Amino acid sequence: EPEVTQTPSHQVTQMGQEVILRCVPISNHLYFYWYRQILGQKVEFLVSFYNNEISEKSEIFDDQFSVERPDGSNFTLKIRSTKLEDSAMYFCASKRLAGGGGTDTQYFGPGTRLTVL
Amino acid sequence: KNQVEQSPQSLIILEGKNCTLQCNYTVSPFSNLRWYKQDTGRGPVSLTIMTFSENTKSNGRYTATLDADTKQSSLHITASQLSDSASYICVVSHNNAGNMLTFGGGTRLMVKP
Repeated sequence: EPEVTQTPSHQVTQMGQEVILRCVPISNHLYFYWYRQILGQKVEFLVSFYNNEISEKSEIFDDQFSVERPDGSNFTLKIRSTKLEDSAMYFCASKRLAGGGGTDTQYFGPGTRLTVL
Repeated sequence: KNQVEQSPQSLIILEGKNCTLQCNYTVSPFSNLRWYKQDTGRGPVSLTIMTFSENTKSNGRYTATLDADTKQSSLHITASQLSDSASYICVVSHNNAGNMLTFGGGTRLMVKP
């Protein structure tokens, strides 16, 4: 069964450094997402991406974050200057384009654990 | 503010027993409600999705209910198995494209032999 994959599984970085988290969505999916989950807290929506542009983003997704789909298969989340509070599990998700109602399932990857020291 | 609250926060049951998890939401506009299962250190896996007009949906031993008037949902697990030990997360979508999701804090279920 196709699945969303993410690399690396764990990333350790120094505060102020740039990190790029990578995701390979399911191949025939057209909507892509990033979420984060700080340890012990709820999963939080960051951004959705469709047709090579951001379609929605949350208040968390400020100027230090960016996303792109550089080569038609990878979907990346870049954090320009990491802060201690960026330490979290980052999940990528994808779904097929559904018609009205938005009930298509989002499939989540296994996550990347980011630790900022 | 859009919020999803779940209860209980944690639950321990014996293998073979049934249990019911609760979810209350204040999300507007409401599009659909999802239940996800999240194993420790893994991404959430979808169990059920219900729209405004649906009041029950089953997926094997999982049965979800939705009362859109009272803004409540429940997830009933029948004949629990050890592999059911996980967090169960209630998620509400508040736009028609299903892209804006608000997550509950989850119920951590432990099934003991």
